[in-house]
Amino acid sequence: DTAVSQTPKYLVTQMGNDKSIKCEQNLGHDTMYWYKQDSKKFLKIMFSYNNKELIINETVPNRFSPKSPDKAHLNLHINSLELGDSAVYFCASSQDSTRNQPQHFGDGTRLSIL
Amino acid sequence: GNSVTQMEGPVTLSEEAFLTINCTYTATGYPSLFWYVQYPGEGLQLLLKATKADDKGSNKGFEATYRKETTSFHLEKGSVQVSDSAVYFCALKGAGNNRKLIWGLGTSLAVNP
Repeated sequence: DTAVSQTPKYLVTQMGNDKSIKCEQNLGHDTMYWYKQDSKKFLKIMFSYNNKELIINETVPNRFSPKSPDKAHLNLHINSLELGDSAVYFCASSQDSTRNQPQHFGDGTRLSIL
Repeated sequence: GNSVTQMEGPVTLSEEAFLTINCTYTATGYPSLFWYVQYPGEGLQLLLKATKADDKGSNKGFEATYRKETTSFHLEKGSVQVSDSAVYFCALKGAGNNRKLIWGLGTSLAVNP
């Protein structure tokens, strides 16, 4: 059973379009995250939710909007896609947001903007 | 603020060579320290962790010791295999209300047969 699953795995689309990435975890965790990884493997936290409450909201364009319908799901909607949005987006979860808890990652969504 | 400094890659080794990837940190209090590994085309996965000074984390032949006096958490393996080729990330989670994991830039390791 996949612990953290993201869909789609690949997303190729044109500039200006709107797209969504979905994430689900079956670990019973309270906290979920979205990361962006660029071509040099640099990881940047974007958002985090703890039990459906937004707890981390980094400096990202407001074209990015997360939604957590329940604590097992965290989706990411992106409006008006730009070339610079091309990256791999990772969803992750942890039991809670305390310091000892490791994060479990999905396999990533590879977003390419044409 | 908290930060992690990781040695730059890429690192290229022959099979059975000894591996060290340096990681040093800056933090107030007593953070938790982690090493994650990312194999090609996959997400990150926890390799090992240590939550207090002098703790040693170990997994799959990799080890790292939490050194408060040198603020370091260097990753070591005595004999690397081709299958260890991946990107390795050092990370820190601070004490208190800081809920973010602070990541190093990642070190790419290539092991040749």
